[in-house]
Amino acid sequence: KQEVTQIPAALSVPEGENLVLNCSFTDSAIYNLQWFRQDPGKGLTSLLLIQSSQREQTSGRLNASLDKSSGRSTLYIAASQPGDSATYLCAVSSSRLTFGEGTQLTVNP
Amino acid sequence: DAGVIQSPRHEVTEMGQEVTLRCKPISGHDYLFWYRQTMMRGLELLIYFNNNVPIDDSGMPEDRFSAKMPNASFSTLKIQPSEPRDSAVYFCASRTSGVETQYFGPGTRLLVL
Repeated sequence: KQEVTQIPAALSVPEGENLVLNCSFTDSAIYNLQWFRQDPGKGLTSLLLIQSSQREQTSGRLNASLDKSSGRSTLYIAASQPGDSATYLCAVSSSRLTFGEGTQLTVNP
Repeated sequence: DAGVIQSPRHEVTEMGQEVTLRCKPISGHDYLFWYRQTMMRGLELLIYFNNNVPIDDSGMPEDRFSAKMPNASFSTLKIQPSEPRDSAVYFCASRTSGVETQYFGPGTRLLVL
């Protein structure tokens, strides 16, 4: 059974700082890995999707990497802003989409 | 496009009552997913449909839960009878074949007293 773990569970940083969120998974036989953002009381918004054959994806200030053999992914956020405050979830697609428990990020002005 | 639409947004009911949650996927999407999110268990897939046919319902917790998709633009998730432990946020998501990105609705926040 696929298990997805995200570290840290919560993170608080000052505005402008670069930061890294971590995701690990137990079964490397995946189709893809996705990073989502969830704002309080809202649904999930897809940020980046990395296919199993890819190493990284970039969108604006976000960069996600994937090391399938070691079962790890990172989400790098450059020059963080208060508007980045949200919960970030990693999800791995194998037979089904399995989510981590998320990292709650707070960016302080 | 209006995105995935869910109703109601909030539901408060008493234990033993029937609860029906509704979802309208994005037009043209042929996959539909129902998820449940709780503090204890995080986000879990309950069931998903492809072309209105249930493909994987192994995440449905027990027989009290049932889901239907009578047509490409509508799905329901029913809980009968409801119990306090069913309290959670239920999300519906959809996507199209060949594109892995799922689009989530705003969720239904269910409280069973």
